[in-house]
Amino acid sequence: GAVVSQHPSRVICKSGTSVKIECRSLDFQATTMFWYRQFPKQSLMLMATSNEGSKATYEQGVEKDKFLINHASLTLSTLTVTSAHPEDSSFYICSARDSVNYGYTFGSGTRLTVV
Amino acid sequence: QQQVKQSPQSLIVQKGGISIINCAYENTAFDYFPWYQQFPGKGPALLIAIRPDVSEKKEGRFTISFNKSAKQFSLHIMDSQPGDSATYFCAPGTSYGKLTFGQGTILTVHP
Repeated sequence: GAVVSQHPSRVICKSGTSVKIECRSLDFQATTMFWYRQFPKQSLMLMATSNEGSKATYEQGVEKDKFLINHASLTLSTLTVTSAHPEDSSFYICSARDSVNYGYTFGSGTRLTVV
Repeated sequence: QQQVKQSPQSLIVQKGGISIINCAYENTAFDYFPWYQQFPGKGPALLIAIRPDVSEKKEGRFTISFNKSAKQFSLHIMDSQPGDSATYFCAPGTSYGKLTFGQGTILTVHP
């Protein structure tokens, strides 16, 4: 089945630094990828939708200058949390939509802790 | 505006019992109705999904029922096992659009 690889699984960074999270579709092409944020015991909140080769579309209330999304190829999207602060600590999850066989596959998530 | 309402928030069943989770939506443009299973510290995994042209789909112990007129769909887990203990999300969406996640249901299956 479709597999999405997300790295790193856990990252701890100092306040003010930037962190990059990678999301790769391993066996299918993903023209569209999604980035979610999940707080403990809560649902997934969509942050942005990225289409290969174009700018990401951010959900209302999400700072596009803080959460930089790049989707340069059909198999790779990255989320960079810039100037991270403790309130950015969360579980970040990516999802890729198979452009041939309609379906959404999720990565295993990245636990970001900002200290 | 809350587009998707999932119930119950939590559910406790005994091993071998039936677990039922419901999802109500408002957007009539939705044409993809999946259920996801999430274990702590992991991303959601697709459990089962249905399209609006069928009213029921069964895969092993998992059945999804869809009521288009009522704008509801449900997940039934037959012969529930302790290993089914997880958080379940409905996440209806549109073709080539995005998914809208429900609030989640924490299922606990006691041995």
